[in-house]
Amino acid sequence: AQKITQTQPGMFVQEKEAVTLDCTYDTSDPSYGLFWYKQPSSGEMIFLIYQGSYDQQNATEGRYSLNFQKARKSANLVISASQLGDSAMYFCAMNHPGGYNKLIFGAGTRLAVHP
Amino acid sequence: SAVISQKPSRDICQRGTSLTIQCQVDSQVTMMFWYRQQPGQSLTLIATANQGSEATYESGFVIDKFPISRPNLTFSTLTVSNMSPEDSSIYLCSVEDVVTSGQGRETQYFGPGTRLLVL
Repeated sequence: AQKITQTQPGMFVQEKEAVTLDCTYDTSDPSYGLFWYKQPSSGEMIFLIYQGSYDQQNATEGRYSLNFQKARKSANLVISASQLGDSAMYFCAMNHPGGYNKLIFGAGTRLAVHP
Repeated sequence: SAVISQKPSRDICQRGTSLTIQCQVDSQVTMMFWYRQQPGQSLTLIATANQGSEATYESGFVIDKFPISRPNLTFSTLTVSNMSPEDSSIYLCSVEDVVTSGQGRETQYFGPGTRLLVL
């Protein structure tokens, strides 16, 4: 069965420091996509970054990078130079292209950035 | 990326009533998705809506409780029927679109959500 696991219910980081949010996944399909979304208190889901299972390089989008370790089935999100506005819930998700691309979400990690 | 709007943004409803949530996209999309996020929980897919066919529901969700319409490629509605307090959630629609940067892969973009409180 496909599953996303986020083991950190909450994380704290000092402003301007880097933080890593953990995500592990389980699937038997060799083709999949991994995503990270940010959900501020307003409730909207903001797409941050995508990693395909066949991508050779780790994805990067501005201050966000995805540490993709395929053999360990992990897809950790790294946020560099944290800002106060980064305080939010962060969800890791997975889909399987080729069928209909529904997303399976992890439980989420609440990040608090301290000044 | 696609711009998605939802109406209403929030509502407070009495048990036993129904609420229809609208999702509008600024471009034509093939697939639209409806998710539920119960308080303090993650997102769970309710159903996938394709234009011109019946929605495909996930396990635990039925058409009588969550009827969905998809009259064209830019619009969909989700109705929460015969509501109970357990239906209090954020309901989000999403669409597939191509990531505007990076390798041009498809991802899902979400609307702002509808916060529903059932008393």
